[in-house]
Amino acid sequence: GESVGLHLPTLSVQEGDNSIINCAYSNSASDYFIWYKQESGKGPQFIIDIRSNMDKRQGQRVTVLLNKTVKHLSLQIAATQPGDSAVYFCAESPWEYGNKLVFGAGTILRVKS
Amino acid sequence: EAQVTQNPRYLITVTGKKLTVTCSQNMNHEYMSWYRQDPGLGLRQIYYSMNVEVTDKGDVPEGYKVSRKEKRNFPLILESPSPNQTSLYFCASASQGDQPQHFGDGTRLSIL
Repeated sequence: GESVGLHLPTLSVQEGDNSIINCAYSNSASDYFIWYKQESGKGPQFIIDIRSNMDKRQGQRVTVLLNKTVKHLSLQIAATQPGDSAVYFCAESPWEYGNKLVFGAGTILRVKS
Repeated sequence: EAQVTQNPRYLITVTGKKLTVTCSQNMNHEYMSWYRQDPGLGLRQIYYSMNVEVTDKGDVPEGYKVSRKEKRNFPLILESPSPNQTSLYFCASASQGDQPQHFGDGTRLSIL
């Protein structure tokens, strides 16, 4: 597969455990946040998004938490599965810049069976 | 199937030889964008387009051109490629400016 990053932080979890991936964003004007999953050889795949008027949003097995006070975003994955192994990126978007996405460096999630 | 299609997926070429990477989406999306992904630098936006005939620079537009003559296509043009443009390129589209972007599977460019 193709490497998408050097020296990215890595989170290793046991299959079935919950995973929490954290992200600090930089722009206090950002009002839209997205989590993407990228598997080797593929483009980023949308997981879940949240707008700044919310603190929490849930999807299927995933939850995103937003703390605007400390500019922190987290992605929680319940009952992590081997297929969840990938690089996860958070992205922020200040609407004033027309859907410009600013991506974080990414976190590698490794699921051990 | 809803998708963003990039061509070619892989290209090795030489400095100065003009090339075009095509991007097409079949979702009738208004918004399209190009990114490059480099180790240690993550994904950076090159250009984006809010609609037909409307394009704007992203963070790293130098050395690139784009056009948006029709809604479904958003080609990326390297008029005179240089080795520092060796990278993994992604095209993305969204229904509107404030909706999630959907990505293609990438184009690996190597400029010798």
